[in-house]
Amino acid sequence: NAGVTQTPKFRILKIGQSMTLQCTQDMNHNYMYWYRQDPGMGLKLIYYSVGAGITDKGEVPNGYNVSRSTTEDFPLRLELAAPSQTSVYFCASSYAQYAETQYFGPGTRLLVL
Amino acid sequence: QQQVKQSPQSLIVQKGGISIINCAYENTAFDYFPWYQQFPGKGPALLIAIRPDVSEKKEGRFTISFNKSAKQFSLHIMDSQPGDSATYFCAARGNTGGFKTIFGAGTRLFVKA
Repeated sequence: NAGVTQTPKFRILKIGQSMTLQCTQDMNHNYMYWYRQDPGMGLKLIYYSVGAGITDKGEVPNGYNVSRSTTEDFPLRLELAAPSQTSVYFCASSYAQYAETQYFGPGTRLLVL
Repeated sequence: QQQVKQSPQSLIVQKGGISIINCAYENTAFDYFPWYQQFPGKGPALLIAIRPDVSEKKEGRFTISFNKSAKQFSLHIMDSQPGDSATYFCAARGNTGGFKTIFGAGTRLFVKA
């Protein structure tokens, strides 16, 4: 199993550009999450999904959108990139909402200039 | 707002010493308290976890101490090794409202050889 994979690993965006961060898991997990990690701030939940076709906002959803058309994929969309979105983005998955372990991908480092 | 406060922000320990990281929470609606370990360039990975009905859990050199009345829990790393150098996140999972996991800000541990 590859676990949770994310692409790209690193990206530089100009202000106002858009992009999609890709996330795929091969563990047949129903629950998937997007976090952002800022220095000294821990991990903040952006969006999560409880299954294909179902998504919900987390703690910091503004400026982002998600979709979940399959169990495996959970892309995160940035429509109008802003410097405040410079961060490291992690995708994670778990077997169930009450599952105790979240499995994280390697992260995408995004720089918005 | 639910919060998990983590300290210290950074920690330097001699090889063979004890590393201690502390966390405190403000909400009683948490039912699971994991610690995640993150190496540079990698995603967080579950290290050890505890439930609130247990005061201590030990796995190898890693021990969680939990004080339910004080709403505090801590990670102790005995005989710290250079390979333990990483960022450690405490977290708390809610038992209602989506079972979301709230992460502490992280502690960067450096173990000197």
